[in-house]
Amino acid sequence: SQELEQSPQSLIVQEGKNLTINCTSSKTLYGLYWYKQKYGEGLIFLMMLQKGGEEKSHEKITAKLDEKKQQSSLHITASQPSHAGIYLCGADGETSGSRLTFGEGTQLTVNP
Amino acid sequence: DVKVTQSSRYLVKRTGEKVFLECVQDMDHENMFWYRQDPGLGLRLIYFSYDVKMKEKGDIPEGYSVSREKKERFSLILESASTNQTSMYLCASKTPLGGGSSGELFFGEGSRLTVL
Repeated sequence: SQELEQSPQSLIVQEGKNLTINCTSSKTLYGLYWYKQKYGEGLIFLMMLQKGGEEKSHEKITAKLDEKKQQSSLHITASQPSHAGIYLCGADGETSGSRLTFGEGTQLTVNP
Repeated sequence: DVKVTQSSRYLVKRTGEKVFLECVQDMDHENMFWYRQDPGLGLRLIYFSYDVKMKEKGDIPEGYSVSREKKERFSLILESASTNQTSMYLCASKTPLGGGSSGELFFGEGSRLTVL
């Protein structure tokens, strides 16, 4: 099965600082999802990447998928307390019958 | 809006009881998934289905079974609940990648199960 490793496991930053979360796969990523979850709440879809070298942005969050399609990074610029939560990356397989698995998550705390 | 609806937000069951968790999606999605979420462990895949009556084991299928008799409904069954199955259970659905589909994965709000 596809193993996804997220780093760091947890991150504490000062408001206004930039940060990066990484997601590394043991196999080729055919679809890479980024979700955010606040404590006790549901999952919020951030972005999905499919093509090698692809980059997408939403407000102050940018996600990239490397050319080899085995690593993705999520970058937050000028972090705010509203960015705090758990960030999860998920990987989809090549075929329609593929499993979709997630990493263990990165807990982000943004101190005002 | 795509909607994935889970039948119960909160359940409390006793050890040994049979538990049914229902999930219904209204967007004609082929693929449906059941995950459990525990602190520090992320989302772990229990079972998934890519078509009616088709099911595949995920990473932690032990103690669970599933049923998909209709395309819109994917049920998770705990034949004999145990305390280590206390968790948040999340259902999700999507269309397969390709063919112009965005492939976005839509989640239900979750069912928090406590087994005493």
